[in-house]
Amino acid sequence: DGGITQSPKYLFRKEGQNVTLSCEQNLNHDAMYWYRQDPGQGLRLIYYSQIVNDFQKGDIAEGYSVSREKKESFPLTVTSAQKNPTAFYLCASRSLAGDGSEQFFGPGTRLTVL
Amino acid sequence: GQNIDQPTEMTATEGAIVQINCTYQTSGFNGLFWYQQHAGEAPTFLSYNVLDGLEEKGRFSSFLSRSKGYSYLLLKELQMKDSASYLCAVRDSNYQLIWGAGTKLIIKP
Repeated sequence: DGGITQSPKYLFRKEGQNVTLSCEQNLNHDAMYWYRQDPGQGLRLIYYSQIVNDFQKGDIAEGYSVSREKKESFPLTVTSAQKNPTAFYLCASRSLAGDGSEQFFGPGTRLTVL
Repeated sequence: GQNIDQPTEMTATEGAIVQINCTYQTSGFNGLFWYQQHAGEAPTFLSYNVLDGLEEKGRFSSFLSRSKGYSYLLLKELQMKDSASYLCAVRDSNYQLIWGAGTKLIIKP
């Protein structure tokens, strides 16, 4: 079955620690995205990538970093510089073929910083 | 600035019809998406509109008026499993999605 996996589903970290969230897709999609979701707000774009070894900052990239060494993988690191990291993190991917292709989402990782 | 507005919460009765509105102001327009999101889960795609008019898909329909910056999602024959948040998103001139905060739909028996 094709899809997007994120791990872990729940993650707890102490303040000041970096943490890396995994995102893998086997849909052969070129584009991958990281969003953050907070209560009462729309999804906010952190980073996105449309091709291997290239990625772009979204609206709230400060305190986050990514890499895209393989087409299938787009890990997100939440660094200690992120002031309010507790949130629900969603990874998505999309085919760049065609005009109307939707984004497919992984199950999400809920990060809690203690 | 870019803005997507949706009602925060709506309540409807099982078996009834509900319309969830979305208005938008974005820099450019390259399509509007509706997603369903159950609590604690990933959003799942419902519909896509890029031209004016109504798109029907089973119990769900979505309407778009580009001149008015307006869309709605119509859910018919409501079922308890339709209790979820419904997210409206517009793809802007940079082909990035701008998301509304979502409408929480509560279905009562």
